[in-house]
Formats: sequence, C-alpha cells, structure tokens
Amino acid sequence: GAVVSQHPSRVICKSGTSVKIECRSLDFQATTMFWYRQFPKQSLMLMATSNEGSKATYEQGVEKDKFLINHASLTLSTLTVTSAHPEDSSFYICSARPGTSGGRASDTQYFGPGTRLTVL
Amino acid sequence: AQRVTQPEKLLSVFKGAPVELKCNYSYSGSPELFWYVQYSRQRLQLLLRHISRESIKGFTADLNKGETSFHLKKPFAQEEDSAMYYCALSGINSGGYQKVTFGTGTKLQVIP
Repeated sequence: GAVVSQHPSRVICKSGTSVKIECRSLDFQATTMFWYRQFPKQSLMLMATSNEGSKATYEQGVEKDKFLINHASLTLSTLTVTSAHPEDSSFYICSARPGTSGGRASDTQYFGPGTRLTVL
Repeated sequence: AQRVTQPEKLLSVFKGAPVELKCNYSYSGSPELFWYVQYSRQRLQLLLRHISRESIKGFTADLNKGETSFHLKKPFAQEEDSAMYYCALSGINSGGYQKVTFGTGTKLQVIP
C-alpha cells in the first residue's frame, strides 16, 4: 500500500513552453502533498507544500507564479512549470502524506518516482 | 530555522563491518527525525523514524537530544545495504506549518 505515482517520468520541452507534472496517491487519500526539486548529487529541496482545497505554501525563493501547484483532490496534485527555461531542468519529486481516520495527518511521507525535466 | 547535516557524502565499508551514518540537526523545538533510503534506480522510501524506536533491516537510530544527533547504525553491513541515505527532520516552521528538511545524503558503499 501507500503508492505514489508521477506522470510523466521524463519530459523534454522547448524553452518558453509550459510543462505539467501530475502526482497521484494510488491507494490512500493524501491530505498534504509536497513538491521537491533535486539537483544532481544534491539533496532534495522542498519547493512547496500543498493541502487539498487550499493554496499551496511556497518555500522562500520559489516563484509561485512560475511553479503553479494545484491540489484539486485528495489523490491528485499537479505542478506546472510555466515558461520553462534551461535552468528549470531538474528532477522533480512529489511526496504525499496520508490523512488518518481520526483526522490527524500521518507524519510519514510516501515518495513518487520523480520526473526528469529537460528544457532545451 | 531547522537544519540537518550529514557530514559524509560517501561512506565505504567492507561487508560484515559495522556502519554508522552520521546525522546532526538544529531545531529549537521537539523534533521528529527520520531516515530515508534510496536504492539504485528506485524511489526514496522511509527506512525508520525515531518515534517508532524500531529496527528495520538491522538498522537502528537513537535520538540524542544532548548531542542533537540521530546517527544510523548497523552492526554488520550487507551488500544490499548499498544505497543513498537521507536524514530528515520534521518540525513546525516560523509560519506555523509542518515542514520536513532533508540532509544532503550519504552514499553507503558496501564492499564485498
């Protein structure tokens, strides 16, 4: 159980175009989803936290108009990289945190496999 | 601000030798700490959390608040333990919401 999927796994786009990445929790409801960015041989950098039905909370230095996050349902969050540029090329990873039956969120995050974005 | 430090980028040990992956943290409140592991070509997954006080795949980690450390240990390394290990801290940030901060990771290489 607790599987998180991401689509696409790999995308190549031209500079100036927008790219949408989907993150789905397949067998649980995720009250919170997180989006991370990972540069080669570096750690995960949290970009934003999204709660279902409310606006995402962005980390300092992350442009919210460039990285649009929508958490439309308890099983789906999307990250749209708008007007992508080569410096946006990176590995984007989402994670999901389940809610519990008592309404309190679990502390455990389940990670998706990541999406490799290459902007030409 | 919360911070996680993993001082070693790479740790190489022989099979059967003890392993200790270091993790130090900085956080003003009461932290929740985790170890995540990423095997080659696989996604990041939870290995263990301090609150559970459990041993997973022979690994244990004890929270030492005095030394602000959460080192990961295993008495006898196995080849299948070779992977990237990330220490993570979950705490409440200045904005009042929960945030998880990851360390930079340590690559464990077990030599046959």
